[in-house]
Amino acid sequence: GAVVSQHPSWVICKSGTSVKIECRSLDFQATTMFWYRQFPKQSLMLMATSNEGSKATYEQGVEKDKFLINHASLTLSTLTVTSAHPEDSSFYICSARKLAGGADTQYFGPGTRLTVL
Amino acid sequence: GEDVEQSLFLSVREGDSSVINCTYTDSSSTYLYWYKQEPGAGLQLLTYIFSNMDMKQDQRLTVLLNKKDKHLSLRIADTQTGDSAIYFCAGNRDDKIIFGKGTRLHILP
Repeated sequence: GAVVSQHPSWVICKSGTSVKIECRSLDFQATTMFWYRQFPKQSLMLMATSNEGSKATYEQGVEKDKFLINHASLTLSTLTVTSAHPEDSSFYICSARKLAGGADTQYFGPGTRLTVL
Repeated sequence: GEDVEQSLFLSVREGDSSVINCTYTDSSSTYLYWYKQEPGAGLQLLTYIFSNMDMKQDQRLTVLLNKKDKHLSLRIADTQTGDSAIYFCAGNRDDKIIFGKGTRLHILP
C-alpha cells in the first residue's frame, strides 16, 4: 500500500498566528514530498517540493519565508504557514513520491482545510 | 494554452460508461495519471499508464493513450453513484506532476 496522512484535517486560527501542518507517509519512505494548495473548484497548485535533508524548492510566486517547509525524516514533512492572513485560507494537500516497480507515482494525503479569521 | 487540458464537466446516466478525455502538451512525460477527488478529500490515484503503452485496463477502468495526438482518456464502465467526483488528468515533468483543471463527473439516476 501507499498511505499518506495529514494532520490536522482542519484548523481555524486567528490572523497573525502560525499554523503547522504535518504530512506523513505511513507505510513507505519518501525522499520527496510535495505541498499543494487548492482553491474551491480549482486544480491543485504546486507550492513547493520538499526534499529530505535539504532545503525545499519553491515554485515561482510562493514566499519561502511565509510557507516554511521542513523534511526532517523520510516519513515526515511539515508546512508552517507563518503570520497567517485570511487570504491564506485554503485547502492544503501534501503528496509523497514513491518509486516502485519501475513506476513513479505520487500518493496524496487527505488534505488540511485552513481557515484564517 | 494549458499544459494539460480537460473538459470541466461530464454528466452520465447510472449504468452507462463514462469517458473523460484529456490532452497534454509535454511529450516528455513518461507517466500519465488519473486521480479521483471526492468532496473535501485528497486525491486518490486511480491508475497510471507508462508513455510507451497504448492501453491499460484495471477492472472497470480503461485508459487509452494516443501519444501521437497527445490524448489520454479514462473510461469507467457501468458508472455508479460512487463514481461521482472530480477526475484529474496529469503527466509528470521532471520530478513534478502537472495537473489538469479536473472534470466533474455527475451521475444521473
